[in-house]
Amino acid sequence: TQLLEQSPQFLSIQEGENLTVYCNSSSVFSSLQWYRQEPGEGPVLLVTVVTGGEVKKLKRLTFQFGDARKDSSLHITAAQPGDTGLYLCAGSPLTGNQFYFGTGTSLTVIP
Amino acid sequence: DAGITQSPRHKVTETGTPVTLRCHQTENHRYMYWYRQDPGHGLRLIHYSYGVKDTDKGEVSDGYSVSRSKTEDFLLTLESATSSQTSVYFCAISKQGGRVMNTEAFFGQGTRLTVV
Repeated sequence: TQLLEQSPQFLSIQEGENLTVYCNSSSVFSSLQWYRQEPGEGPVLLVTVVTGGEVKKLKRLTFQFGDARKDSSLHITAAQPGDTGLYLCAGSPLTGNQFYFGTGTSLTVIP
Repeated sequence: DAGITQSPRHKVTETGTPVTLRCHQTENHRYMYWYRQDPGHGLRLIHYSYGVKDTDKGEVSDGYSVSRSKTEDFLLTLESATSSQTSVYFCAISKQGGRVMNTEAFFGQGTRLTVV
C-alpha cells in the first residue's frame, strides 16, 4: 500500500475540457509537490504547496493543498494536447528526508 | 537541467545475475534517491542517501543494496536479479531533504532494466 493514492489513474479528455486530479493520504505532510513526466524522461517539478488550504495557480493549472495537509488536487482548465503526460504528486513527511510519490495519473488530451 | 547521469540507460540481464546501476551528479547535492517506476505504482522509493556512506531504506528495499563512497556517485545493486525487478529505475537528487519546505527533487532520465 502506497502512502499517496491518486485518482483517476487514467484520464482521456477532449481539448478544451476541464479536469481534476486528486492525491490523497492518511498521513500529514510538511509540503506536497506536483510533478509532470513525459515519456522517456524523468519527472519535472510543477509546484510545491506548503500551507494547509493553500491554492497556487500556474497559468491554466490550479493546485490546492488540503486544510489538514493530507491531500491535494490539481485542476486544469481548458486542457490542451500539450498537457498530455503523467502527473505525480509527492509528499514530504514531517520526519525523515524522503519524497514519497503518488501512484500517478496518466492524462491524454485529444485534439 | 540538473547534472544527473544514469548509466546504463538500458540493460537486459538474466535471472540470478548481479546488476549495478550508477547515478552520477555534478551538482554537489547532499541527498540522492533511487526509485523504481511501474505502471499503477507511480514512483516507489528503494533507498536514499543523506551523505557519503549514509544511506537508509525506502518502501521497496528488499533485494536491493546501495553504496555512496563519493558525493557525486550513488550505486544501486541488485544482488541476484529477479523478473519482478524488471522496471524503470530513476535516480533523483536534492539539495536538502524532503522535510525542508520548497525542496525540489531533480531526476535523471532513467534506466530501463529487463530481467529475463
